[in-house]
Amino acid sequence: DAGVTQSPTHLIKTRGQHVTLRCSPISGHKSVSWYQQVLGQGPQFIFQYYEKEERGRGNFPDRFSARQFPNYSSELNVNALLLGDSALYLCASRSGGYMNTEAFFGQGTRLTVV
Amino acid sequence: TQLLEQSPQFLSIQEGENLTVYCNSSSVFSSLQWYRQEPGEGPVLLVTVVTGGEVKKLKRLTFQFGDARKDSSLHITAAQPGDTGIYLCAGVSGNDMRFGAGTRLTVKP
Repeated sequence: DAGVTQSPTHLIKTRGQHVTLRCSPISGHKSVSWYQQVLGQGPQFIFQYYEKEERGRGNFPDRFSARQFPNYSSELNVNALLLGDSALYLCASRSGGYMNTEAFFGQGTRLTVV
Repeated sequence: TQLLEQSPQFLSIQEGENLTVYCNSSSVFSSLQWYRQEPGEGPVLLVTVVTGGEVKKLKRLTFQFGDARKDSSLHITAAQPGDTGIYLCAGVSGNDMRFGAGTRLTVKP
């Protein structure tokens, strides 16, 4: 069985540009969460989607948005990129909609903003 | 800012030594999870503790949840080079999950 897949694995963007990151959850999982992990820190919660609806949102500016598709895959969009957006972006898949449910993480997308 | 404080931040030990990693908070959590992350990879769940005072063992790893459900510890017995990695704790409260900054463990052969 395929685990959580994220694409692309690495990305370099220029300040001010827009980026779209993609995540496919484990088959049968209906919840996707997005996290930002800056070098040397733990992951910071950005969004959770369950059954195509937003379930939770972390303390991130409106430049960050996300959506979940009917097949439960998800996209994270970041507009007007800043140097500080450089980080590893992780997607986590859960079978249920609650954070207590075990989270399975993808390998992440390493975003570098120059 | 991290809601959960992990200590130590860095730990370098010899194979065979024991170690304890701490995860502390002023907040009460409904559950606490421990993850292990290798460089360039996503975190992998090791254990979830739910009940105050709960102790769980996973081979050489022992996890404890504080009585007040605000803190937790991870003890590794006879560490091996394969234990090298970043150990993250994550507290769950409602539908919010917050991670600590992690403990970076290096076990030298």
